[in-house]
Amino acid sequence: NAGVTQTPKFRVLKTGQSMTLLCAQDMNHEYMYWYRQDPGMGLRLIHYSVGEGTTAKGEVPDGYNVSRLKKQNFLLGLESAAPSQTSVYFCASSYRASTYNEQFFGPGTRLTVL
Amino acid sequence: AQSVTQPDIHITVSEGASLELRCNYSYGATPYLFWYVQSPGQGLQLLLKYFSGDTLVQGIKGFEAEFKRSQSSFNLRKPSVHWSDAAEYFCAVATNRDDKIIFGKGTRLHILP
Repeated sequence: NAGVTQTPKFRVLKTGQSMTLLCAQDMNHEYMYWYRQDPGMGLRLIHYSVGEGTTAKGEVPDGYNVSRLKKQNFLLGLESAAPSQTSVYFCASSYRASTYNEQFFGPGTRLTVL
Repeated sequence: AQSVTQPDIHITVSEGASLELRCNYSYGATPYLFWYVQSPGQGLQLLLKYFSGDTLVQGIKGFEAEFKRSQSSFNLRKPSVHWSDAAEYFCAVATNRDDKIIFGKGTRLHILP
């Protein structure tokens, strides 16, 4: 099993450009999450999904959109990138609610917005 | 709302020495608590978790943590650290009403040879 994979690993964007980050999991997990990690800030939840076709806002959702069209994939979109979105982005998945279940993390995507 | 505080941003210990990383949480009822580790350039990996029962929980890689309700703490310990333990450690809390968990800001552990 590959676990949780993220594409791409690195990306550089110019301000105003758009992009989509792809997260895929092969563990048949119901729940999927997108976090951003910034120095001294820990991990902050952007959006999450509790099942195919559902999404919900996390702590820092502004400037991002997500879609969960297939159970195994969770896409994170930036419609108009800003320098404040320079960060490392992590996707995670869990079998059910994180209250009881371990979250499995992908290796991260390092995004730089110039 | 629940929150997690990790008071130490950086900790340095010598290889072979004991380790304790502090974590305090804020929540009115019994929380569900986790410790995750992040090695450089990697995603996070679960070390251990506490849901109920015995307040001393054992995890992977020789780590343990103790839940102390009176102190609202869930400190991580290891009796003898190895150079490979150098990483960032995150404490996290969830409640039985949430679909998500809240992470602390992390403690970066440095190991001296």
